[in-house]
Amino acid sequence: SQQGEEDPQALSIQEGENATMNCSYKTSINNLQWYRQNSGRGLVHLILIRSNEREKHSGRLRVTLDTSKKSSSLLITASRAADTASYFCATDEENDYKLSFGAGTTVTVRA
Amino acid sequence: SAVISQKPSRDICQRGTSLTIQCQVDSQVTMMFWYRQQPGQSLTLIATANQGSEATYESGFVIDKFPISRPNLTFSTLTVSNMSPEDSSIYLCSVEAENYEQYFGPGTRLTVT
Repeated sequence: SQQGEEDPQALSIQEGENATMNCSYKTSINNLQWYRQNSGRGLVHLILIRSNEREKHSGRLRVTLDTSKKSSSLLITASRAADTASYFCATDEENDYKLSFGAGTTVTVRA
Repeated sequence: SAVISQKPSRDICQRGTSLTIQCQVDSQVTMMFWYRQQPGQSLTLIATANQGSEATYESGFVIDKFPISRPNLTFSTLTVSNMSPEDSSIYLCSVEAENYEQYFGPGTRLTVT
C-alpha cells in the first residue's frame, strides 16, 4: 500500500532554477529513498536517508528528513533539461524491508 | 549498487495468454521484489521472492495469477497469467543491497489487447 504522499503533483520550472518537492508518510520508518523515473522507464536510485539523519547531499541533490513531521524534501539545484522526470519517495517501515511508494512528482524543466 | 536486467523490455500480448518476465542481477542478493506500475500510477509491490522459499504475496495479488520463481541468488521470473487488458502495466524487479538501498531493473512494459 502507498504510505507516502508527494507534493506538488507536478512542477514546471526554468532551466537553472531550483526544484523542491515534498514527501509525507504515515508510520515510523527505517529509511526513506528518493528515485527518478524517466518516461516510464526503470527507477534510478538517487539517495537514501536513514531515520536518524536529518540532511544528506549528493551532487546537486539535497534531501532533508523530519521524522517528527513525518516528511522529507528533495531539492534539485540548478536544474537542467535532463532533470525532467518523475520523482518518487519510498519508505520502509520499522521491522519491515518492503518499500511503500508515494504518488510521485512530475518535474518539467523548460530550456 | 547492483546492475539489473529484465527481459523482455516490452511486449504486446493477447488476452488469455501468459507472459514470463525474467530478472537477472549481476551479484548474489537475498531479497528480490516484483512491482507493478499501472499507467500514470506509482509502484505497487506484488511479491517478495527469496531463494529457497515460496514468494510472499501482497494483499490483492495471488500466486495463481502471478507465479514467481527464484531458482538462485541472481535470477527470478514473474509470470503474468491469463492476461486481461487490466494487466497492462510496467513490471519492475528490484533487489536490496547491503546498505538497504533498493535498485530497480529497467522494467517490462506490457500491453494486453
